[in-house]
Amino acid sequence: EDKVVQSPLSLVVHEGDTVTLNCSYEVTNFRSLLWYKQEKKAPTFLFMLTSSGIEKKSGRLSSILDKKELFSILNITATQTGDSAIYLCAVGNAGGTSYGKLTFGQGTILTVHP
Amino acid sequence: EAGVTQSPTHLIKTRGQQATLRCSPISGHTSVYWYQQALGLGLQFLLWYDEGEERNRGNFPPRFSGRQFPNYSSELNVNALELEDSALYLCASSSYSSYNEQFFGPGTRLTVL
Repeated sequence: EDKVVQSPLSLVVHEGDTVTLNCSYEVTNFRSLLWYKQEKKAPTFLFMLTSSGIEKKSGRLSSILDKKELFSILNITATQTGDSAIYLCAVGNAGGTSYGKLTFGQGTILTVHP
Repeated sequence: EAGVTQSPTHLIKTRGQQATLRCSPISGHTSVYWYQQALGLGLQFLLWYDEGEERNRGNFPPRFSGRQFPNYSSELNVNALELEDSALYLCASSSYSSYNEQFFGPGTRLTVL
């Protein structure tokens, strides 16, 4: 069964700090790894990674995938209070019984204090 | 570009009743996915529809069912509601070729009393 584990489960920082969120996975037919930000309801798409070692960046957020070690990290630099949210990691499968579905981790709750 | 839309925002039902939740995908997307996010649990995959066909189904009982219409919108039906069905139901859409790149709607909060 596909499995995604995120760490830490929660994190409290102050504005301006840099944070690193971790995601490790076990999946039978890996196709992609995705990061989402969930504030109230809808998870908002951040990144999709398919290739190992290639960093994706969007403003203060960046992410990288290591397909050999089966993990990804999400970095947020110069955090702001608006970054407070649950960050979800998900893995997409290329086929088999998990075809099409995303398997999600438990999420990391990030709280940024002013 | 309009995002995924869902209705209703909130739904309150009693045990044994049926609930119908609706989803409209992003224009140009043919695939619709349904996920359940219960309190204390992560997002759990329910169903995937593409071009009107059910492509995959998660580990949920048959009383969770759905359909996809010719305009690619979708309905999720939950029959014989149980208290543990109370959850946030999220719909996502994607193009078929990029079926992992899923964009989510705001969800429907279902409360079963």
